[in-house]
Amino acid sequence: NAGVMQNPRHLVRRRGQEARLRCSPMKGHSHVYWYRQLPEEGLKFMVYLQKENIIDESGMPKERFSAEFPKEGPSILRIQQVVRGDSAAYFCASSPATGNYQPQHFGDGTRLSIL
Amino acid sequence: SQQGEEDPQALSIQEGENATMNCSYKTSINNLQWYRQNSGRGLVHLILIRSNEREKHSGRLRVTLDTSKKSSSLLITASRAADTASYFCATDANQAGTALIFGKGTTLSVSS
Repeated sequence: NAGVMQNPRHLVRRRGQEARLRCSPMKGHSHVYWYRQLPEEGLKFMVYLQKENIIDESGMPKERFSAEFPKEGPSILRIQQVVRGDSAAYFCASSPATGNYQPQHFGDGTRLSIL
Repeated sequence: SQQGEEDPQALSIQEGENATMNCSYKTSINNLQWYRQNSGRGLVHLILIRSNEREKHSGRLRVTLDTSKKSSSLLITASRAADTASYFCATDANQAGTALIFGKGTTLSVSS
């Protein structure tokens, strides 16, 4: 029973390039969340998606960042024209439904390094 | 803004001892959750306590919640070296309980 799968585990980009991070939720989960973690910090919520819909993107920067969760395939977090400050670990989580009592299941993250 | 704040930031104990971590939060919540993160890995859900619950147990874990003080504690009894990790509390950010707000975590080191 595979958990949340994220790839790549490590991604190196030069300033100005694009970064694409992928997340496949657990089987049967239709809700996906993206979080960012800076060194020595807790996770910061970025965006919450259901299939083909962005439900809450209140934590996502207005520029350069976008997310999607298509009908088929993984959820994608896309960062355009990356800058040094984008260096962080990006975690995806999934849950079977929304609501107050649903724990979120996390992947092992993508470590993004910007040169 | 930071919702959950864990205390202490770091804790070092010997195997067999108990470890207690505290979490304070600012706004009303529907539930509070504790997660563990091993170095270089994702977060593992440990336990969820609802706002109308005061205490919950799971194996060697005991969580308390005091909504009047907006605080929670996580107790790990008879700690093992494998318990070495960072521990985070998380609260729901909105009425729908979708986004989680995490504290900065407590780093626990258990030496044998």
